[in-house]
Amino acid sequence: QKEVEQNSGPLSVPEGAIASLNCTYSDRGSQSFFWYRQYSGKSPELIMSIYSNGDKEDGRFTAQLNKASQYVSLLIRDSQPSDSATYLCAVKGSGSGNTGKLIFGQGTTLQVKP
Amino acid sequence: KAGVTQTPRYLIKTRGQQVTLSCSPISGHRSVSWYQQTPGQGLQFLFEYFSETQRNKGNFPGRFSGRQFSNSRSEMNVSTLELGDSALYLCASSLARELNTEAFFGQGTRLTVV
Repeated sequence: QKEVEQNSGPLSVPEGAIASLNCTYSDRGSQSFFWYRQYSGKSPELIMSIYSNGDKEDGRFTAQLNKASQYVSLLIRDSQPSDSATYLCAVKGSGSGNTGKLIFGQGTTLQVKP
Repeated sequence: KAGVTQTPRYLIKTRGQQVTLSCSPISGHRSVSWYQQTPGQGLQFLFEYFSETQRNKGNFPGRFSGRQFSNSRSEMNVSTLELGDSALYLCASSLARELNTEAFFGQGTRLTVV
């Protein structure tokens, strides 16, 4: 079973700090990686996608990918109380049996304290 | 551009009944995937449809089925409902099946089986 692992948290950071969320995956052939944000009672919202090794920045968010270490991370700069949510790491697997299928981690709950 | 629309938003059903959920993808998107989200299991892949054909299926019993229509709208059906089927059912829409394709979720249908 291909797995995606996240620390469930909660991860608590003060307002204005950098929040660092981490994710590891087991399928070495995985090619596509996504971060979703899910507020309580709501559906997941895509915030970042990353496909190549290195960093990808979008506003206050930076996704980092290291395929050799099978590691993806999400940095949130200048964290705001409105960033408090569960962050889901998702991986699109390799092989014909996994095309179109996202494998999710259990999510990390982030709390940003004013 | 309208997002992914799922109907109904909430459902209460009795054990043994069946239920049909509907998903209208983003205009132009041809791939629709379904996921089940529960507190204990997280987000689990149910199946994926593309061009009216089921392309991939998760590890769920045969009571879970689906279909896709020529306009890319999709339905999923659960027969002989069990208490454990209570969950948030999410539909995700993608432009295509290629690896580097983002998936966008609808608001979900919250199913309660009593």
